[in-house]
Amino acid sequence: GAVVSQHPSWVICKSGTSVKIECRSLDFQATTMFWYRQFPKQSLMLMATSNEGSKATYEQGVEKDKFLINHASLTLSTLTVTSAHPEDSSFYICSAKGANQPQHFGDGTRLSIL
Amino acid sequence: LAKTTQPISMDSYEGQEVNITCSHNNIATNDYITWYQQFPSQGPRFIIQGYKTKVTNEVASLFIPADRKSSTLSLPRVSLSDTAVYYCLVGDNQAGTALIFGKGTTLSVSS
Repeated sequence: GAVVSQHPSWVICKSGTSVKIECRSLDFQATTMFWYRQFPKQSLMLMATSNEGSKATYEQGVEKDKFLINHASLTLSTLTVTSAHPEDSSFYICSAKGANQPQHFGDGTRLSIL
Repeated sequence: LAKTTQPISMDSYEGQEVNITCSHNNIATNDYITWYQQFPSQGPRFIIQGYKTKVTNEVASLFIPADRKSSTLSLPRVSLSDTAVYYCLVGDNQAGTALIFGKGTTLSVSS
């Protein structure tokens, strides 16, 4: 089956640090990748959609200068949380979608900002 | 807003069949119905997808009536390890649009 790898799985860092999360589709080409955020006991919330080689489309309320998304190839997208603060602590999940395929999700990144 | 409505929670015992129904009254012609399973601190895992009638794989069956306004995920003979949140989503496989998650159904399986 389709595999999406997300790295790192867990990050703890100091306030003000920038953190990069990688999302890779291992066995298919992802025409579109998505980034979600999930708070405890809640459902996944879509943050942004990115197509390879294009600028990401952000959902309302998501700061594009805060959450930088790069989708440089058909197998890799990155999310950089810039100048992270404690309120950015969350579970970040990426997903990837190939042509005529359902979305497949990574295993998430637990981000804790101290 | 999520396009689907599911029960918030369900309880079952090991060995029983569990059926989770999902309503999607405004499903579009090009939309597929997809179910995911999520364990704590993990990403959602694809279970099954269908467009109409019945689809079966090694872990579940998906029943879709002719009007496609609802669907039922059937899990045969559940075990304790099936305790998880189950999400029903509708979306176009061809388009690059994201799946919008609702609250999901928390299934609790007891011995």
